[in-house]
Amino acid sequence: DGGITQSPKYLFRKEGQNVTLSCEQNLNHDAMYWYRQDPGQGLRLIYYSQIVNDFQKGDIAEGYSVSREKKESFPLTVTSAQKNPTAFYLCASSIVPVGQGNEQYFGPGTRLTVT
Amino acid sequence: GDSVTQMEGPVTLSEEAFLTINCTYTATGYPSLFWYVQYPGEGLQLLLKATKADDKGSNKGFEATYRKETTSFHLEKGSVQVSDSAVYFCALLSGGYNKLIFGAGTRLAVHP
Repeated sequence: DGGITQSPKYLFRKEGQNVTLSCEQNLNHDAMYWYRQDPGQGLRLIYYSQIVNDFQKGDIAEGYSVSREKKESFPLTVTSAQKNPTAFYLCASSIVPVGQGNEQYFGPGTRLTVT
Repeated sequence: GDSVTQMEGPVTLSEEAFLTINCTYTATGYPSLFWYVQYPGEGLQLLLKATKADDKGSNKGFEATYRKETTSFHLEKGSVQVSDSAVYFCALLSGGYNKLIFGAGTRLAVHP
């Protein structure tokens, strides 16, 4: 079945450590996205990529980094510079070129807890 | 900039009640509009969408009509079930990079 895989589902880290969240898709989508979700809030865009080896900052990119070396993969690193890293992280993908109604497909999410 | 405003939750209903979740938006041009649903501990699933004014999106008994004159995209269902309990997000597609702008989400709780 085609879809988006995020692993692990739950992740625990100590403050000051970098951590990388995995996102893999087999939908053959060119575009991929990372969102952050905090309790009682909507999703906020961290980074997005429309093509391999290219990515753009979203609204809250500070303290995060990404890479896009393969079409299928878009890992997100939460660095120690991110002041409030505890959150639910969602990866998404969509087809390109962008057109009306090109919906994004979401993975199941990774819940990161930093103590 | 573009934005989406949803009614605050939680919305608590009895089974078979009528549901309305209000959503209004601010955007330049004519964005596509979406409703996504999130079940506990899961990612988001697309519920329905509309790409131009007066379009009606529908799925699983849910409906929403793209109203350009009132910049709204209210979600409705005639008879809710316990299994509809979830968080519902209204979103619009903004700009040239397929960027989704989300509302804050509305939690729906349906009781038997």
